[in-house]
Amino acid sequence: SQQGEEDPQALSIQEGENATMNCSYKTSINNLQWYRQNSGRGLVHLILIRSNEREKHSGRLRVTLDTSKKSSSLLITASRAADTASYFCATDPMNRDDKIIFGKGTRLHILP
Amino acid sequence: DAGVIQSPRHEVTEMGQEVTLRCKPISGHNSLFWYRQTMMRGLELLIYFNNNVPIDDSGMPEDRFSAKMPNASFSTLKIQPSEPRDSAVYFCASSTPTNTEAFFGQGTRLTVV
Repeated sequence: SQQGEEDPQALSIQEGENATMNCSYKTSINNLQWYRQNSGRGLVHLILIRSNEREKHSGRLRVTLDTSKKSSSLLITASRAADTASYFCATDPMNRDDKIIFGKGTRLHILP
Repeated sequence: DAGVIQSPRHEVTEMGQEVTLRCKPISGHNSLFWYRQTMMRGLELLIYFNNNVPIDDSGMPEDRFSAKMPNASFSTLKIQPSEPRDSAVYFCASSTPTNTEAFFGQGTRLTVV
């Protein structure tokens, strides 16, 4: 079964607004990663947060991790049309070696 | 490094034919993953290798699917015989031992008619 589950499945917002996507997972993890996929392309790594971290920033991206709730959020501030893509969370489970497990993704659409 | 290289980029084949998808991981990466992506099922992990050894193939849908990794720089995913429901985008990804990031290829879009 899927380790990560993103929420919502789809999100449409106006350009300039902030976009928030959530991810829940089931087992203990070493780290959690967020990826972006543009239409017709492979996934691209955005940011990684380790299990002992609570928040991380990278440019307009802000990721939080709550290991007690087994959840993470990805915030994109001041969204742009180029942010339109699908976003996936991926977990590196603590009890499984060398296996990154992806959720089903959130489709984000930025309206002009 | 050119990244993870997959071939072909597009494949159209008739039902019943054998299909072979190829992947060259990034040099030095010891984990390799095959994924299938469809609108209905999302991104599914089919199989992954660690140091060329298949570790978990529980995601392989049927015996019609098989994967090999004869050496650290090459892997294949074979479907024989292919069926229309196999139509999807197949991705190969590789990662380092520390699992800090998975690098994806551009994918192979398979259409079985």
